[in-house]
Amino acid sequence: AQRVTQPEKLLSVFKGAPVELKCNYSYSGSPELFWYVQYSRQRLQLLLRHISRESIKGFTADLNKGETSFHLKKPFAQEEDSAMYYCALSGQQGGSEKLVFGKGTKLTVNP
Amino acid sequence: ETGVTQSPTHLIKTRGQQVTLRCSSQSGHNTVSWYQQALGQGPQFIFQYYREEENGRGNFPPRFSGLQFPNYSSELNVNALELDDSALYLCASSLKAGRNYGYTFGSGTRLTVV
Repeated sequence: AQRVTQPEKLLSVFKGAPVELKCNYSYSGSPELFWYVQYSRQRLQLLLRHISRESIKGFTADLNKGETSFHLKKPFAQEEDSAMYYCALSGQQGGSEKLVFGKGTKLTVNP
Repeated sequence: ETGVTQSPTHLIKTRGQQVTLRCSSQSGHNTVSWYQQALGQGPQFIFQYYREEENGRGNFPPRFSGLQFPNYSSELNVNALELDDSALYLCASSLKAGRNYGYTFGSGTRLTVV
């Protein structure tokens, strides 16, 4: 079964503090993992993908196949990071590639 | 380059009615996927269209159907609406139906069934 679990529905940190948004997945194959972000009143947009191993807006995420995790991290949170974050897995469904999303974590960065 | 546009932005329907939601894909994208996002949940895959053919379907009943047109725009049709169909419906387009191609999402259509 293809499943993405984000255990924290809400996460609150202070500006300048480190932040880690947890994501665990279940997939019988070689997964491709993504983080999507949705800022207030904006559309869902891609933050980063594991295959490109890049850092966007100071966020990084490492795929740990042993722990089946893809946690999102940032060493120093900013107020503008406050948003809804979704972890997603790209998997097969009836011959097509589809995204399987977690339920999301709402991050609030307090001043 | 235009992004993904969806219409209408909001819609209220009565249980049992039918609804059609529309999506214009990003310029150059030939694949459209539809997702349902219930309140407090992540988006759930409904189906995908590639070159005007259905190319994969999630766990949704047949009363959810779709179309893709030669210009790659797409429609999502839902018949016999139920209260549980109330959700945000998202359209996402991509260059090609495959995991190596990123998805661009629209702002969604908020459907309320009363």
